Amino acid sequence: SQQGEEDPQALSIQEGENATMNCSYKTSINNLQWYRQNSGRGLVHLILIRSNEREKHSGRLRVTLDTSKKSSSLLITASRAADTASYFCATDAREYGNKLVFGAGTILRVKS
Amino acid sequence: GAGVSQSPSNKVTEKGKDVELRCDPISGHTALYWYRQSLGQGLEFLIYFQGNSAPDKSGLPSDRFSAERTGGSVSTLTIQRTQQEDSAVYLCASSLDGLGPQHFGDGTRLSIL
Repeated sequence: SQQGEEDPQALSIQEGENATMNCSYKTSINNLQWYRQNSGRGLVHLILIRSNEREKHSGRLRVTLDTSKKSSSLLITASRAADTASYFCATDAREYGNKLVFGAGTILRVKS
Repeated sequence: GAGVSQSPSNKVTEKGKDVELRCDPISGHTALYWYRQSLGQGLEFLIYFQGNSAPDKSGLPSDRFSAERTGGSVSTLTIQRTQQEDSAVYLCASSLDGLGPQHFGDGTRLSIL
């Protein structure tokens, strides 16, 4: 199975609610990154968290990293319809030659 | 331009034909990546160029796939004798030094009839 796996596969919430997406991985990592992809577009980098960091914030985004559990979560607070997109985690690990390995993504739908 | 540019944005071709996909990375970025994304799936790594080093071709699915990066800038991904299973979106990304965030183009949607 893939290095990074997100859950849930799909998430539907009302505007204003918080959205939480999770990512699990298998090997030791250098860093973990979250990306967003709008339909028909390329991926946009959201946030990078290094292996020695536990939490990072960027605007309405909060990312946590638990290296003991090999997991990360992305929290989007006060969601907006414009947050509707697919969200991917990607791990940078020495075992994979420092290439990013992407999970299959979480499809987020924010209803207005 | 300021971002990664890919062309064409869409390509429809017949099975057995060769196709060339182009990527213009962000100026000054030494690392360039090609990925393939099938419908509703994550990204499958294809190939990685870093500066003047030999490219990492470990993700290329068959010898029908090849890529070049000329002058450390523009890259072309070539698929020879296309098959229907090659249908996908091909995404290119670049990064400043191969260590941080990647910047993606909008991809080429390839359809093999």
